[in-house]
Order: sequence, then C-alpha cells, then structure tokens
Amino acid sequence: EVQLVQSGAEVKKPGDSLRISCKGSGFSFISYWIAWVRQVPGKGLEWMGIIYPGDSDTRYSPSFQGHVTISADKSISTAYLQWSSLKASDTAMYYCARQHSTYECWFDPWGQGTLVTVSS
Amino acid sequence: QSVLTQPPSASGTPGQRVTISCSGSSSNIGGNTVNWYQQLPGTAPKLLIYNNNQRPSGVPDRFSGSKSGTSASLAISGLQSEDEADYYCATWDDSLNGRGVFGGGTKLTVL
Repeated sequence: EVQLVQSGAEVKKPGDSLRISCKGSGFSFISYWIAWVRQVPGKGLEWMGIIYPGDSDTRYSPSFQGHVTISADKSISTAYLQWSSLKASDTAMYYCARQHSTYECWFDPWGQGTLVTVSS
Repeated sequence: QSVLTQPPSASGTPGQRVTISCSGSSSNIGGNTVNWYQQLPGTAPKLLIYNNNQRPSGVPDRFSGSKSGTSASLAISGLQSEDEADYYCATWDDSLNGRGVFGGGTKLTVL
C-alpha cells in the first residue's frame, strides 16, 4: 500500500525550533516529489514547497521561503519540514503529499497531517 | 487571497447536480492541468480529479471535471449526503519561479 505517515502533534512556544516528519512506504521514495501543504484552522490549503528526495532538489513558495526548511533523508524514505524559530502564526495542520511531477499539483496520497500549536 | 477563485459555498438536495467553479489566469489554469480535492470534516484531503477530468480508481463516476481556457469546474451528479465536504481546485502557477496554488475552497452543503 502506498502511504505517507507523519509524526505526531506538537505543542511549542514562540521562538522554539521544530522538525516534523513524513515517512513514505509502498513506492520508490526517490522517484517522486514530496510536497508540504499548510492548513490554518478553519482556512484553506496552501502549497509550501516540494522536495525530490532522489537529489534533494527543493522548491519553495515565495510565501514560505526563508521561514521553513524542507529536507529529506532518502535512506529512510523520510521528508522533513522544519522551523528554526516558530511564531504563533505557524499554528496549523501540516500535510505532506506525494506530488506526481514537478509542474503538476496532483497530490496522492496524503499523510494524515501533523497539528502544530504554537502558544506561550 | 487565493490565486484561484472558488465560490465559498454551494448547496444542493440529494439527487441534484451541483457544479463548483475555479477561476484562474493564463499563468496557472490557462497553461497547466487542474486537480480537485475533497476534504471531509476532520480528515486529510483526498484526490478526486486529476489532469482536468480523470478520476482515480475508487472515485465514483458521479464526480467529473472539466477545463476551458482559464477556468475549470467540478460537477457532482446524484448528490448524496456523504458528499458534504470542502472541495479545492489546484494547479501549477508559472509565475514567481513556479509554485503550486490552490483555490480558496468551496464548502458543499447537502440540504
């Protein structure tokens, strides 16, 4: 079965660092792009960026460039999304998804989501 | 403000046909394929339509997609109560060095 399994919910304070993960199985992890998508509570979906684990090629949305880092460890089929200094506005559900190709927003499957709560 | 424009809400009664529109521009829908996602309450989004009008296996043929110029539509026929969900369109945008973009989402209510 093709699936993506994400790490569990996190509660952090402003200024904390954080890395969440997304582990793929059932497919060739190095042959697909992995996307990260943000959903603020009660709001819509936002494409954050993608990584190609085969060569670590990474693309970011201008809205998120410089605030998050996307990385991957192909040896364990895992992609990561990390922050060096969280803000309250980072509170959201974060999904990873397999993106079919570089220039298509065809995402399947999706991870179950990781809820990140940032509060003092 | 989303790059792709969807109506915030839509509704219909069981058995009806409803359509949800997604409007963009030449840098996104006009030059790239459109995909649709269904998000049931409290769950991750699910791929509903890819490449403008293709259904993944397991998606009922009540769901169909189309694209014309810089707009796309999702149609749901024979509306059922379990179709009550949020629906999002998505495509690639060639501006700003390229990025994925979503519509703002449409909440479908089955009356």
